[in-house]
Amino acid sequence: QVQVVESGGGLVKPGGSLRLSCSVSGFIISDFYMSWIRQAPGKGLECLSYISGSGKTIYYADSVKGRFTISWDSAKNSVYLQMSSLTAADTAMYYCARAVVVPAASWFDPWGQGALVTVSS
Amino acid sequence: SYELTQPPSVSVSPGQTARITCSGDALAKQYVSWYQQKSGQAPIVVIYKDDMRPSGIPERFSASNSGTAATLSISGVQAEDEAVYYCQSAASSSTFGDVVFGGGTTVTVL
Repeated sequence: QVQVVESGGGLVKPGGSLRLSCSVSGFIISDFYMSWIRQAPGKGLECLSYISGSGKTIYYADSVKGRFTISWDSAKNSVYLQMSSLTAADTAMYYCARAVVVPAASWFDPWGQGALVTVSS
Repeated sequence: SYELTQPPSVSVSPGQTARITCSGDALAKQYVSWYQQKSGQAPIVVIYKDDMRPSGIPERFSASNSGTAATLSISGVQAEDEAVYYCQSAASSSTFGDVVFGGGTTVTVL
């Protein structure tokens, strides 16, 4: 069964750091792009970052560039999002999702259940 | 930055057809995907590559892309279709460029 499961969410103080993990099953991450997408409370979806199966292509949204780092461990079939310099604006549900990428098209499937990150003093 | 524009809300009676539009300047160059997000749940893809339906998604979900606007149609709407629907595409014709989501459309079943 193709599945992704996030972990590592929690409460962190402004300026702090947190690492999210995404463990996958049913497929090999080196065969796909993997992504992190967040959703602030009551808001829409924002693609923060993705990494290609080879690790050679990495994307960051402007909102997190220089603060967040995506990485993966093929041996553990897991993807990570290291977040630093967190502010209240980073409070959101963070979803890990597999990205299917073909010429001129991309879609995210499946999504994990999400990891809630709350930045508050 | 590239944007996809959706109406904030659509209301429909059970059994009728709900149509949600998604407009953007690059829709002629990039396919569109659609996601359904029910309250408290993660999104799921209901349409990919403009009009392809994943296995397990009911046939009442269909979509099209005219190059200037994409449309998701839900025919014979049921109460269980009440959700927020997001369109998604990319800003360029590159393989996987700047991914963008529309603002979401809340479908209310009257």
